[in-house]
Amino acid sequence: GQQVMQIPQYQHVQEGEDFTTYCNSSTTLSNIQWYKQRPGGHPVFLIQLVKSGEVKKQKRLTFQFGEAKKNSSLHITATQTTDVGTYFCAGPFSGNTGKLIFGQGTTLQVKP
Amino acid sequence: DAGVTQSPTHLIKTRGQQVTLRCSPKSGHDTVSWYQQALGQGPQFIFQYYEEEERQRGNFPDRFSGHQFPNYSSELNVNALLLGDSALYLCASSLVSRTHHAEAFFGQGTRLTVV
Repeated sequence: GQQVMQIPQYQHVQEGEDFTTYCNSSTTLSNIQWYKQRPGGHPVFLIQLVKSGEVKKQKRLTFQFGEAKKNSSLHITATQTTDVGTYFCAGPFSGNTGKLIFGQGTTLQVKP
Repeated sequence: DAGVTQSPTHLIKTRGQQVTLRCSPKSGHDTVSWYQQALGQGPQFIFQYYEEEERQRGNFPDRFSGHQFPNYSSELNVNALLLGDSALYLCASSLVSRTHHAEAFFGQGTRLTVV
């Protein structure tokens, strides 16, 4: 079945260092979404990428969608303690029905 | 503008019991999806309701059932609870069209513990 995989599972960085998480889908995606979940919280939508090769930036966060629309990445420049949490990528199941397949997430710890 | 609200926030049940979780979607949203999130895992899709009908279903047994009401709010019912059903249950609302896959707005979740 359709799978979405993320690496790494955990990442510990020193505050100010950069961080990247990678997402790979077993099938071509119509779009990919990224969510952030703070410890004890719920997933919060960050961004959606739709076009092949698309790059979007949100302040220190840079999101990329691969040319084949099967992979994506999230890069954080100069991490801050507020970046702590688990970052999930999610791709829609076939069709636009709202079912999302989530990766297992990358948990980011930032040491001050 | 209220976001997605879920109740209760925490629940402890005994094996074999039944549980009902509730969700009110974000204002203006007509679609509710339910996810199960085990500790350290990503959310797993259970099912989705639109126009009071189950539209899509994930790989969950029939013990998991749901309902959507005319005001778009939804319930998730789990019968014959197992220890493995212990998880965070998330409700997500969205506005799904044929041309655009909208982002999901999640509630804070219900933490279910089965003992």
